[in-house]
Amino acid sequence: GAVVSQHPSRVICKSGTSVKIECRSLDFQATTMFWYRQFPKQSLMLMATSNEGSKATYEQGVEKDKFLINHASLTLSTLTVTSAHPEDSSFYICSAKIRGLNTEAFFGQGTRLTVV
Amino acid sequence: GDSVTQMEGPVTLSEEAFLTINCTYTATGYPSLFWYVQYPGEGLQLLLKATKADDKGSNKGFEATYRKETTSFHLEKGSVQVSDSAVYFCALSDADSSYKLIFGSGTRLLVRP
Repeated sequence: GAVVSQHPSRVICKSGTSVKIECRSLDFQATTMFWYRQFPKQSLMLMATSNEGSKATYEQGVEKDKFLINHASLTLSTLTVTSAHPEDSSFYICSAKIRGLNTEAFFGQGTRLTVV
Repeated sequence: GDSVTQMEGPVTLSEEAFLTINCTYTATGYPSLFWYVQYPGEGLQLLLKATKADDKGSNKGFEATYRKETTSFHLEKGSVQVSDSAVYFCALSDADSSYKLIFGSGTRLLVRP
């Protein structure tokens, strides 16, 4: 099956710094990528949808200036958590869809962010 | 809007027991339905899917049938193994939600030897 690689798998950063998380589709072109946040023992909350070459669409309540998403190519999307605070500590997961309307989404391995 | 409701966990079973995890959905259109599995510390993996009514998705001994009349997609396995311990998410995707995946709350399964 298609592979989505997310990097880093774990990151610890100091409060006030920014962290970038990368999501790559390794063997297919992903026209759409999704970014999710998962709190401990809870479901995935969709943060934003990014389409290659255009601005990301953010879900209600998600600060677009805090969670910067860039989808500059068909194989790479990045999520930057700016001026991170301890409450941003969470598990972030990306997923990517192959070109087409209702195709399967493939998930990255997730990134555990801890802000200290 | 579209939504997915799953039975709350955790579900604790002995090895070789029968598993059912209930999932019901609400959608205005004709969604595709999915079960994803998340092992500790990992991302999600697609377990199985069904794209239309009466379809049965199956994989690794797990099955789920798309029941439009009851708006359900219950996950079943006849004999669970310790290695099946994970969190299972039911999800849907359809045109009305711009093909975004909408997840249920997840059900943690713990299988004891």
